[in-house]
Amino acid sequence: DVKVTQSSRYLVKRTGEKVFLECVQDMDHENMFWYRQDPGLGLRLIYFSYDVKMKEKGDIPEGYSVSREKKERFSLILESASTNQTSMYLCASSWVAENTGELFFGEGSRLTVL
Amino acid sequence: AQTVTQSQPEMSVQEAETVTLSCTYDTSESDYYLFWYKQPPSRQMILVIRQEAYKQQNATENRFSVNFQKAAKSFSLKISDSQLGDAAMYFCALPLGGTDKLIFGTGTRLQVFP
Repeated sequence: DVKVTQSSRYLVKRTGEKVFLECVQDMDHENMFWYRQDPGLGLRLIYFSYDVKMKEKGDIPEGYSVSREKKERFSLILESASTNQTSMYLCASSWVAENTGELFFGEGSRLTVL
Repeated sequence: AQTVTQSQPEMSVQEAETVTLSCTYDTSESDYYLFWYKQPPSRQMILVIRQEAYKQQNATENRFSVNFQKAAKSFSLKISDSQLGDAAMYFCALPLGGTDKLIFGTGTRLQVFP
């Protein structure tokens, strides 16, 4: 079974702190994604990576950056956390070869910024 | 622009009954996939069912089936013989312009009553 693991299920941070959200997948997927989930807004794509060191901005990249130094790991970075970044963050991965668009998700990281 | 619209924020159904969740979308692509994902409370999102747009036959997975109407750009999910474990958020999703990135609707929260 595909496993996508997010390092922290729940985090509480203070405004201005630097926050790292880590995601690891074990199926050699080329694609990795970070989505943000908010009630009434669904999932919105923050960043997408299709290969090591490659990234593309999604719909809401402002205030976020990403790092993909190894194929299995995709990190989301909040350089200076703000209260409006309180949200659920979902990591996902997929194969390119299948080209079906099916994503495999982690359990999510719920971030609260005080 | 591609869009996915779920107009039912919440739905409820009695155990063993049938419920239909609605989704409409807009895309200029001629060949694409459509997805329904399920997110149980505090658990990871999983794929429920997938439909290929060039296939006229509606997809079915056990108790889950879709009513895909390409001309109307409608993709509804029918859950038959509802079970308590079907209680979850359900998201409709569409790949963005032939890419591996998914656009999600705002979700429908399904409650199942005994």
